[in-house]
Amino acid sequence: QVQLVQSGAEVKKPGASVKVSCKASGYTFTSDGISWVRQAPGLGLEWMGWISVYNGNTNYAQKLQDRVTMTTDTSTSTAYMELRSLRYDDTAVYYCARLRDYGSGSYIDYWGQGTLVTVSS
Amino acid sequence: DIQMTQSPSSLSASVGDRVTISCRASQSISRYLNWYQQKPGKVPKFLIYAASSLQSGVPSRFSGSGSGTDFTLTISSLQPEDFATYYCQQSYSTPYSFGQGTKLEIK
Repeated sequence: QVQLVQSGAEVKKPGASVKVSCKASGYTFTSDGISWVRQAPGLGLEWMGWISVYNGNTNYAQKLQDRVTMTTDTSTSTAYMELRSLRYDDTAVYYCARLRDYGSGSYIDYWGQGTLVTVSS
Repeated sequence: DIQMTQSPSSLSASVGDRVTISCRASQSISRYLNWYQQKPGKVPKFLIYAASSLQSGVPSRFSGSGSGTDFTLTISSLQPEDFATYYCQQSYSTPYSFGQGTKLEIK
């Protein structure tokens, strides 16, 4: 069965960086993309971007473009999301998710369990 | 960027009711529209893609419709486990934006 297992909760100070990992199993890792979505406390889902595991191409939300990097390690079927220059409003649960293509569209069908990143001084 | 707007933001209904949630895109997205369900403290669950295609295992009381800019999610007969927040998402162009969510509560 498809599983995405994320790294544990993090507490960071403003200005620091955080790197969240997401280990995939149960499917061919290079066949699909990985998307990252975050959810601030009590708020909705925010799409952060995605990475093609096949060729490493990335597409980031413009508001995060300068601070986020998404990578994958195909040898360990693990995806990573690094967010730099953390701000208080980056406090959120961060999800990795499998992004599947169908025709010209895409959907997220499996999600990691989420990683809470708290930015606090 | 494409903006997705859901209405209503919250909705109270009873078990057995028929419920409709709307999602509007700021420009045409053809039928590249997904729906997700999220319960408090839980991971989102994938329900529908391509506006009306039900993901495997999703109960048939859920249905989706629409194209262009206007879409709906319908639950034909609410069950106790359906009370949750529902999100639409477009995959026509990046960023693959979500709607703000519709919270479905028990009346």
